[in-house]
Amino acid sequence: AQRVTQPEKLLSVFKGAPVELKCNYSYSGSPELFWYVQYSRQRLQLLLRHISRESIKGFTADLNKGETSFHLKKPFAQEEDSAMYYCALNPGNTGKLIFGQGTTLQVKP
Amino acid sequence: NAGVTQTPKFQVLKTGQSMTLQCAQDMNHEYMSWYRQDPGMGLRLIHYSVGAGITDQGEVPNGYNVSRSTTEDFPLRLLSAAPSQTSVYFCASSYGGGRTYEQYFGPGTRLTVT
Repeated sequence: AQRVTQPEKLLSVFKGAPVELKCNYSYSGSPELFWYVQYSRQRLQLLLRHISRESIKGFTADLNKGETSFHLKKPFAQEEDSAMYYCALNPGNTGKLIFGQGTTLQVKP
Repeated sequence: NAGVTQTPKFQVLKTGQSMTLQCAQDMNHEYMSWYRQDPGMGLRLIHYSVGAGITDQGEVPNGYNVSRSTTEDFPLRLLSAAPSQTSVYFCASSYGGGRTYEQYFGPGTRLTVT
């Protein structure tokens, strides 16, 4: 079965602390994974995608096929990082995304 | 470009009523999708379309109909609203369905069914 799991509903950290939002997937093929973010009162938007291997707003995510994970990391959290984060899998060429349950990141001053 | 637009922003329905949520995009995207967002469930795909005249079901299609007569528009119809359809609905579009394509989301419609 194709599935994305984000085990934490809420992650609360202090400003300047490292952040790791966990994402595990279940997919038999070669996965294409994304992180989307929804800031307060804004629409859902792409943060980064696996294939680009980029760093956006200080965030990075590495695909670990052995552990079937795609965790999102940032070494020093900022208050403006507070948002809902979704991990998503695109399993084929259909534009159908499978989302995880979402993790709310709260960065305290 | 306005991107992906959705109307209305908020709607309250009574059980059994029907309504249409509107979605439009001006980016000439072929792929369009409807998702619902529920607490603890993430976003779940309702219906999607790979081009004008072509639609297919997603994970939770029951109680919803779609059609795609133009590239720009992808309305979602609730046939007979039920309290279980209380949710936030998002429309999204992408240039293609390929696995690397970014999806662009609308602002959402918050629907309450009483």
